[in-house]
Amino acid sequence: GQQLNQSPQSMFIQEGEDVSMNCTSSSIFNTWLWYKQDPGEGPVLLIALYKAGELTSNGRLTAQFGITRKDSFLNISASIPSDVGIYFCAGSNSGGSNYKLTFGKGTLLTVNP
Amino acid sequence: NAGVTQTPKFQVLKTGQSMTLQCAQDMNHEYMSWYRQDPGMGLRLIHYSVGAGITDQGEVPNGYNVSRSTTEDFPLRLLSAAPSQTSVYFCASSYRGYQPQHFGDGTRLSIL
Repeated sequence: GQQLNQSPQSMFIQEGEDVSMNCTSSSIFNTWLWYKQDPGEGPVLLIALYKAGELTSNGRLTAQFGITRKDSFLNISASIPSDVGIYFCAGSNSGGSNYKLTFGKGTLLTVNP
Repeated sequence: NAGVTQTPKFQVLKTGQSMTLQCAQDMNHEYMSWYRQDPGMGLRLIHYSVGAGITDQGEVPNGYNVSRSTTEDFPLRLLSAAPSQTSVYFCASSYRGYQPQHFGDGTRLSIL
């Protein structure tokens, strides 16, 4: 089946620093999603990407859909303590009856105030 | 608007017991799914449904059953609980399968 490699597995940064994380796939996706999970809660959608090369922002977050359709990147600028959590990428291929999301294993972000 | 509601939030079972995890959504979403989350493993799809009366297996379906008799509800049944099923279970839904999914807050299940 499809596999997503998400890196880094964890990050420990100082408040105010910028953060970058990425996902790569062994096969092509036509949708990339980025979620954040706070402790004890379910994942919450941050950004959705539907087109190769697309660059989308949500406040201090920016995500890109890779040109090859096999990767995606998430950047967080000027991190703050509430950015702490696990960030997941997810990919899917719509069409037909194959409505399955494949998730990366997550990036654990810790922000030092 | 409650979104996706999962009950119970916590549960402890003994090996061999059966249990149903409940999931309900009030957004009239056609697509619903169940995931399990284990440390270092991310979210893995157990079962999913593209509409009432239609279900299919995901990546890790063994030991779990589902049914979808209404649009709103998608219960997950553990037939005979095993310690390997200790996990956090998330239900998610979307209007259409290819649209981003909304997640519930999870059920934390421990099997002794």
